[in-house]
Amino acid sequence: GENVEQHPSTLSVQEGDSAVIKCTYSDSASNYFPWYKQELGKRPQLIIDIRSNVGEKKDQRIAVTLNKTAKHFSLHITETQPEDSAVYFCAASLMQTGANNLFFGTGTRLTVIP
Amino acid sequence: EAQVTQNPRYLITVTGKKLTVTCSQNMNHEYMSWYRQDPGLGLRQIYYSMNVEVTDKGDVPEGYKVSRKEKRNFPLILESPSPNQTSLYFCASKAFGIGEQYFGPGTRLTVT
Repeated sequence: GENVEQHPSTLSVQEGDSAVIKCTYSDSASNYFPWYKQELGKRPQLIIDIRSNVGEKKDQRIAVTLNKTAKHFSLHITETQPEDSAVYFCAASLMQTGANNLFFGTGTRLTVIP
Repeated sequence: EAQVTQNPRYLITVTGKKLTVTCSQNMNHEYMSWYRQDPGLGLRQIYYSMNVEVTDKGDVPEGYKVSRKEKRNFPLILESPSPNQTSLYFCASKAFGIGEQYFGPGTRLTVT
């Protein structure tokens, strides 16, 4: 099955700086890569996703890049704010009819220092 | 409001006492899944269901059972809980194909 590795496990940045979280996956057939944010005591929520036919996607201060050849993808958060502090999970999946399992990384705890 | 609900939210029980955690979604999603979250291990899938009466094992199914008799409900059953099942459990659902997986609020289970 798919194996997703995520680094770093913890990350501290000063408010206003950028944060980058990296993930690698093992199954070259995977075609969907979402990122989830989990605030303390809350459920994971989707913040951005990318499909395998796209190399980069942006949504305001967050962006995700995908390198299919190297089988890695990254989350970039610019101009970080204290409310960005949370645990972030990457995931990979082969999305097709009848197959919908997400394989998650182990998470990155991001702390934004005011 | 579209949502996934779980009950109970918190549960403390003793070893061997059967328990059920309920999960319900109101989005008519075909796919539902259970995860457990442990520090440093991320979200690990326990069981999933592609539709009514169709369930399959995830990565960590030992000690758990599920059923899918109705499309909206996907209960997680621990027949004989053990302390190593102390964890935070999440139910999730999604429609088939590429799209967001919606998580329930979580159930924190402690087995003593």
